[in-house]
Amino acid sequence: EVQLVESGGGLVQPGGSLRLSCAASGFTFSSYCMTWVRQAPGKGLEWVANIKPDGSEKYYVGSVKGRFTVSRDNAKNSLYLQMNSLRAEDTALYYCARVDLGSIYYHLDLWGRGTLVTVSS
Amino acid sequence: DIVMTQSPDSLAVSLGERATINCKSSQSVLYSSNNKNYLAWYQQKTGQPPKLLIYWASTRESGVPDRFSGSGSGTDFTLTISSLQAEDVAVYYCQQHYSIPFTFGPGTKVDIK
Repeated sequence: EVQLVESGGGLVQPGGSLRLSCAASGFTFSSYCMTWVRQAPGKGLEWVANIKPDGSEKYYVGSVKGRFTVSRDNAKNSLYLQMNSLRAEDTALYYCARVDLGSIYYHLDLWGRGTLVTVSS
Repeated sequence: DIVMTQSPDSLAVSLGERATINCKSSQSVLYSSNNKNYLAWYQQKTGQPPKLLIYWASTRESGVPDRFSGSGSGTDFTLTISSLQAEDVAVYYCQQHYSIPFTFGPGTKVDIK
């Protein structure tokens, strides 16, 4: 089955760190750009980061630059998001999504169910 | 950054009637070299992740019912549900993937009247 499964969310104090993981299955992970998108409770969607298939290029939304790092391990069919210096405004459901084959500038054709990150003291 | 706006914020439509959602980008998302609009529409039902409905502004994703259609070019786009069904109750988002940071509209909630 083609799917993405996120994990690693939880409760963390402001200033803390967390590492999210996304396990891909059912498709050739190493051929696809991947994305993290987040959704604060009761709010809309916010694109967070993209990474190219070989990990050579990464892009971030301004609010997380310098604090978050996206990476991948194609041998393990896994995508990661290392989140440091967490703030209350980072509280959200974090989705892993696949970029349709072709370019990093394509639409998102497969989504996971998300993992919840709560930043609170 | 490209700012995406949607209208209305919410709408309630009778079963079988048409629902129309508008999306506007602050800059053109039409890539001249391939004549494609880098604009997608997603549907998010309560408690579920988003689902791709329309890409390139007007191409329906495989498996999406043909009552969903997308139109527009440049900066102005429309998602139309030609005959609203109960299962279409959801929030609908447009997204530009023309320039980084890719940005979403604020969403339009569709309900049954």
